[in-house]
Amino acid sequence: DADVTQTPRNRITKTGKRIMLECSQTKGHDRMYWYRQDPGLGLQLIYYSFDVKDINKGEISDGYSVSRQAQAKFSLSLESAIPNQTALYFCATSDSAGLYNEQFFGPGTRLTVL
Amino acid sequence: QQQVKQSPQSLIVQKGGISIINCAYENTAFDYFPWYQQFPGKGPALLIAIRPDVSEKKEGRFTISFNKSAKQFSLHIMDSQPGDSATYFCAASMNYGQNFVFGPGTRLSVLP
Repeated sequence: DADVTQTPRNRITKTGKRIMLECSQTKGHDRMYWYRQDPGLGLQLIYYSFDVKDINKGEISDGYSVSRQAQAKFSLSLESAIPNQTALYFCATSDSAGLYNEQFFGPGTRLTVL
Repeated sequence: QQQVKQSPQSLIVQKGGISIINCAYENTAFDYFPWYQQFPGKGPALLIAIRPDVSEKKEGRFTISFNKSAKQFSLHIMDSQPGDSATYFCAASMNYGQNFVFGPGTRLSVLP
């Protein structure tokens, strides 16, 4: 969905490096999410933010941090990357005014930690 | 209780056949059950969703069947087409979309 963009789309890094994944949206949604996708495990929620001043941990937040720089921007950081953080990462947005909080996903970032 | 179980893990169907993917949940507080479709290299996208006050919802070739007493719901794809080949995720949420929980996904391949 072009309304939710993620950069970079692919990233290869080494163990111990700090990296940042960025997400931007033009949908005007107030809620933003970071998910991790591993084969056979579905989508696991890392962090979510319901507005600029609200940050919440998801089910697998250890080893990750986030920053909500503006309503349209939500970045995910790995302070010291490790190989088991190799995964596909998705940003998603939703509108709190929507009835069921439908989530709109970005195209994903494929991260490889060597 | 927060888990959503999904089966099968992978599914191969001939063109024109019916694809059926099943999900089960434990938490009776869930009140919204969407299905997401994900093509390779893309993010998941909402396909169809149902609330527990109805037993079936149909949109084109896609139907959700919902069994509240059994705490199960399933996606049926009629007249499956090669273009339907994708990974399908069921999900559940409560409190009008708070606390989404996704199933592990089913990789569907429709053979031409």
